[in-house]
This record gives sequence, C-alpha cells and structure tokens, in this order.
Amino acid sequence: DVKVTQSSRYLVKRTGEKVFLECVQDMDHENMFWYRQDPGLGLRLIYFSYDVKMKEKGDIPEGYSVSREKKERFSLILESASTNQTSMYLCASSHLAGGRSNEQFFGPGTRLTVL
Amino acid sequence: RKEVEQDPGPFNVPEGATVAFNCTYSNSASQSFFWYRQDCRKEPKLLMSVYSSGNEDGRFTAQLNRASQYISLLIRDSKLSDSATYLCVTEDTGGFKTIFGAGTRLFVKA
Repeated sequence: DVKVTQSSRYLVKRTGEKVFLECVQDMDHENMFWYRQDPGLGLRLIYFSYDVKMKEKGDIPEGYSVSREKKERFSLILESASTNQTSMYLCASSHLAGGRSNEQFFGPGTRLTVL
Repeated sequence: RKEVEQDPGPFNVPEGATVAFNCTYSNSASQSFFWYRQDCRKEPKLLMSVYSSGNEDGRFTAQLNRASQYISLLIRDSKLSDSATYLCVTEDTGGFKTIFGAGTRLFVKA
C-alpha cells in the first residue's frame, strides 16, 4: 500500500520560530511537492522537487525553503513563522513517466497554527 | 483571473440524482487534466484522469473541451458516499507544475 507520511498532524508555533515540516514517501517516487490549502483558495504549490537536491519554486515560495537530501524525504522549512502562514500543509509525491508527472499521492496533512 | 476556476457550490442533490461540474482553465498549454476527490478533513485522492476522448469509470464520466478550455465531471445515480469536494487539476506543458482548482462541494442527501 502506497504511503506518504507527514511528521505531525497538528502543530502550534509562535511568531518568529523556525518550523520544520517533514514528509516521507515509500514509493520511490521522483517528484515531491509541498502545498498549502486555505479555504476558498484551494491547494497552492509552494515548492516541488523532481530529484534529490533539486528544487523548483511553485506559486507561493516566499517565506519558505525546502530540502531534499534523500529521495524519500522532502522537508519544508519556515525560517521565521508568521501568522499568515497558519494553514493546512500537504505533501505529495508522484512518479515521473514519459517526462510527465502522474497521479499525486498525498500525505494526511499538517495543520499549522502560528500564534 | 485564476488559472483554474470552479463553482464552489455547494451542490445539494438527492440520492439517485445526476450532477455535473464544470471547470475552466486559462493556460492553453495545459497538457494533463485530472479530477481529485477530497473528503472532509482528509487528503485529496485521484478520482480520474481526463482524456481528450473523454472517459468513463462506472457512474463517473469526465470530458475535456480544449477549444473552450474546460473539463467536466458527470456523476450519475449519486450516492450518499459521493458527498465530498471535487478538485479540478491541470498540469502544464513541462509536466511538473500542477494547478488545483479551489474545489466544488457536493452534498448528497437521502
């Protein structure tokens, strides 16, 4: 059974703290993604990675960075958390075939609250 | 203008009804199209891919209209378990940048 796991389901942090969100997939997928989901806005892509140590900015990368040191792990870092980063964060992975990404498998999400 | 637009709903339908959702996209270079389903407080999961020729999976039919830049999802004989948010998804030419619509909420009532 395919699986994407995220380090925490709920997280509460204070403004200015550095926050690490971890994501691990066991499907040997090349691509990994970080999204945030907010009511009325849907899922917005923050960063994605198509290979180890490779990363590409998505639509809303400001205030975030990522790290992919191993194929199975993709980390999202909030260098200095702010209240407008309170959101649901979803990690996903997909297989690369024919030069195109395929079905994305999502983790259960991390609901982050920044006070 | 949003790259992918959906009617947020909610659509409230009785069991057994047929319901259709449309989704418009702005990037003519979009190559791949999908419908995902997201249950309340759960992660999105792929419902079906959308092919140029249209495709059907049981009670679900998806169609693509490239000329008008929209995709559709038709659900026949609605079940209570179909209640969810349906997300329209496109993927750009490069195959990596995936754009999700904000979703259409469906409530199927007994």
